[in-house]
Amino acid sequence: AQSVTQLDSQVPVFEEAPVELRCNYSSSVSVYLFWYVQYPNQGLQLLLKYLSGSTLVESINGFEAEFNKSQTSFHLRKPSVHISDTAEYFCAALSFGNEKLTFGTGTRLTIIP
Amino acid sequence: KAGVTQTPRYLIKTRGQQVTLSCSPISGHRSVSWYQQTPGQGLQFLFEYFSETQRNKGNFPGRFSGRQFSNSRSEMNVSTLELGDSALYLCASSQTTRTLSGGYTFGSGTRLTVV
Repeated sequence: AQSVTQLDSQVPVFEEAPVELRCNYSSSVSVYLFWYVQYPNQGLQLLLKYLSGSTLVESINGFEAEFNKSQTSFHLRKPSVHISDTAEYFCAALSFGNEKLTFGTGTRLTIIP
Repeated sequence: KAGVTQTPRYLIKTRGQQVTLSCSPISGHRSVSWYQQTPGQGLQFLFEYFSETQRNKGNFPGRFSGRQFSNSRSEMNVSTLELGDSALYLCASSQTTRTLSGGYTFGSGTRLTVV
């Protein structure tokens, strides 16, 4: 069985400040890892994913996440946030051969002007 | 390329009624999954269909069922609605049986309110 833990339910950050949203996973097998973003009254949008290869993955809007196998983590970071980044962020894991995504409980990112 | 389309967007039903939600995946995507999102339980997996067959099922009661048609469109049905079934129901489609193609694409969801 796999599980995903997002340690912070809410993260307030000043505009243009850096942010890190934490995600840890547990699984007995290899996993694929994802970050999804959900804006108010919308569905989930894929932000970035780790499948294999380079442990540092980047999105087109400045977010990046690093897969750390020894610490079983996949933290999401951005060096400078904008008001438009206000949303809920979900970390998810999927075991190889299993089509079921296991989600964390989400982190609500609030940007303070 | 059209995204994942879920209909209706909003729905209000009375306890005891049944409801059917629809999901049209991205053209060419053969895997469709359903998730329930609530403030208390977060995002929970309901079931996944591939080529009209249910391949995975989450821990939901038998009142929750689904099906997939030959054109990959999927429906989910909830019978004998309870207040606790109020949630955002999200559908996700994927190109292959694995996520190597790029992961799941989610629809905007159907918000079901049971009164």
